[in-house]
Amino acid sequence: EPEVTQTPSHQVTQMGQEVILRCVPISNHLYFYWYRQILGQKVEFLVSFYNNEISEKSEIFDDQFSVERPDGSNFTLKIRSTKLEDSAMYFCASRRGTGWAETQYFGPGTRLLVL
Amino acid sequence: LAKTTQPISMDSYEGQEVNITCSHNNIATNDYITWYQQFPSQGPRFIIQGYKTKVTNEVASLFIPADRKSSTLSLPRVSLSDTAVYYCLVGDLNDYKLSFGAGTTVTVRA
Repeated sequence: EPEVTQTPSHQVTQMGQEVILRCVPISNHLYFYWYRQILGQKVEFLVSFYNNEISEKSEIFDDQFSVERPDGSNFTLKIRSTKLEDSAMYFCASRRGTGWAETQYFGPGTRLLVL
Repeated sequence: LAKTTQPISMDSYEGQEVNITCSHNNIATNDYITWYQQFPSQGPRFIIQGYKTKVTNEVASLFIPADRKSSTLSLPRVSLSDTAVYYCLVGDLNDYKLSFGAGTTVTVRA
């Protein structure tokens, strides 16, 4: 069964450093998402991406965040200058299309720790 | 997006049926009901989705009454590996995002 993959599985960084989290969505999917989950809290939507542009973003997704689909397979989330409160699990998700039968498939996540 | 209310936690034993009820009193006509499962340190995994009446797949059943103001996820004969957080989500499937609540932590004991 096709699946969403994410790298790295764990990332430790210093406050103020830039990090790039990578995702490979399912190959025939057209809609891409990033979510995050701070330890012990709920899964929060960050951003959605379709047709090479952001479709929607949450208030969490400020100017420190950016997304990119640099080629036909990867989808990245960049945090320019990490803060302690960016420590969380980051999940990528993808969806083939819209419509009631189209669900979002999540990757295994990247655990980001900002020191 | 319709607000959902579900129990914070439920305990069960292996082999029992677990039923989790979710309330969504202000569900809209275009909204569907979707359930996800999440194991610790893993991404949410789709379980089942429906609009009305009953939906069944190899993992679970979803019961939705005629007024659609609630729904019940039924997990038959649970095992220890079904210990997870279960999320009820309600929304128009043309929405770009999923909005997760706190979910129901189901603990299955031997």
